[in-house]
Amino acid sequence: SSELTQDPAVSVALGQTVRITCQGDSLRRHYASWYRQKPGQAPVLVVYGRSNRPSGIPDRFSGSSSGNTASLTVTGVQAEDEADYYCNTRDSSDNHLEFGGGTKLTVL
Amino acid sequence: EVQLLESGGGLAQPGGSLRVSCAASGFILSNYDMRWVRQAPGKGLEWVSAISGRGGRPYYADSVKGRFTISRDDAKNTLYLQMNSLGAEDTAVYYCARESDGDYRPLDFWGQGTLVSVSS
Repeated sequence: SSELTQDPAVSVALGQTVRITCQGDSLRRHYASWYRQKPGQAPVLVVYGRSNRPSGIPDRFSGSSSGNTASLTVTGVQAEDEADYYCNTRDSSDNHLEFGGGTKLTVL
Repeated sequence: EVQLLESGGGLAQPGGSLRVSCAASGFILSNYDMRWVRQAPGKGLEWVSAISGRGGRPYYADSVKGRFTISRDDAKNTLYLQMNSLGAEDTAVYYCARESDGDYRPLDFWGQGTLVSVSS
């Protein structure tokens, strides 16, 4: 079972803003990374660190962190943002990784 | 262009073995920590194993420790995962992923995955 907890599903209207959260003790020591996964595809990194985005990821994706909770915010959601989103971080050993259970984002 | 290409998946019998590979291009494998992550059908992501770039030190999730072995061939720029004593719970798509260097070390590149099915 995941040491990182995510809501299983979230829905949002097209063009609105949605926040996906991830909770776990490891997040007090390490920043989260966030991955988007569409059906039948490999995960893609969307946000990492304080709120960094790889090249090619739109600036409507941002991250934040407070205490044991990390958040991924999508501002002005587009239809193509519908996907599963996973958070991950390092555990106390710093060598093992933890993943959240994933959040299915539905765009209405 | 960074690319990771997994291969070697397939059907294995319970208690059997399989080796999956991940051929890297566009970067030198031994300069990065590399990870294997798996995803059982309809389930979430699970970290399986890692190998450090410097020194090639292996790390394993408790669920595979003692059964799986991670390695790499620097000459071939290829990562491997040898899986022994396979059980139904090991059925999953296996992804290799590169861990970025820098402060935060996210998994910045992923392969397309290879499916391992364990069944009699």
